[in-house]
Amino acid sequence: DGGITQSPKYLFRKEGQNVTLSCEQNLNHDAMYWYRQDPGQGLRLIYYSQIVNDFQKGDIAEGYSVSREKKESFPLTVTSAQKNPTAFYLCASSLGRGHREKLFFGSGTQLSVL
Amino acid sequence: SQELEQSPQSLIVQEGKNLTINCTSSKTLYGLYWYKQKYGEGLIFLMMLQKGGEEKSHEKITAKLDEKKQQSSLHITASQPSHAGIYLCGAVSLRGATNKLIFGTGTLLAVQP
Repeated sequence: DGGITQSPKYLFRKEGQNVTLSCEQNLNHDAMYWYRQDPGQGLRLIYYSQIVNDFQKGDIAEGYSVSREKKESFPLTVTSAQKNPTAFYLCASSLGRGHREKLFFGSGTQLSVL
Repeated sequence: SQELEQSPQSLIVQEGKNLTINCTSSKTLYGLYWYKQKYGEGLIFLMMLQKGGEEKSHEKITAKLDEKKQQSSLHITASQPSHAGIYLCGAVSLRGATNKLIFGTGTLLAVQP
């Protein structure tokens, strides 16, 4: 079955530690996205990538980094510079061929600080 | 920047009752998406509206787009416990040539048996 897989489901970060969230898709989509969800604030865009080896900052990119070395994969690293990392992180993908496309979402990763 | 406001923020209804959730944009809507989310899970696509006056239905859920009012409404008829969850609207951001979505803050729906 085609879809988006996020791992792990739950992740804990210690002070000063970088952690990486995995996102893999087998939908052959060009575009991939990372959103952060906090209670009462909806989803906010962290980074997005329209094509392999290219990505752009979203609205809240500070303290995060990404890479897009393969079409199927778009890992997100939460660095120690992100002072408030506790949130639910959602990865999404779309065909990437223009406006008004449907986004497909993974099941999310809950990140908490120890 | 464009903002989406959803109302109400939360809603509790008795099973079998009808309900409406609204999504209002601060700017012109060029496309509006509705998603549903179970707590702690990903978003499930419900429907996409692209033109003013457009109305779509899926099972007992109907969504309309009113471009003049910069608003969309989601109506559930004869609600069931399976309808419970968080409903989010998303709109196409026109910044650059991208298809990023911006999202509303969500409406939490509880259906009492």
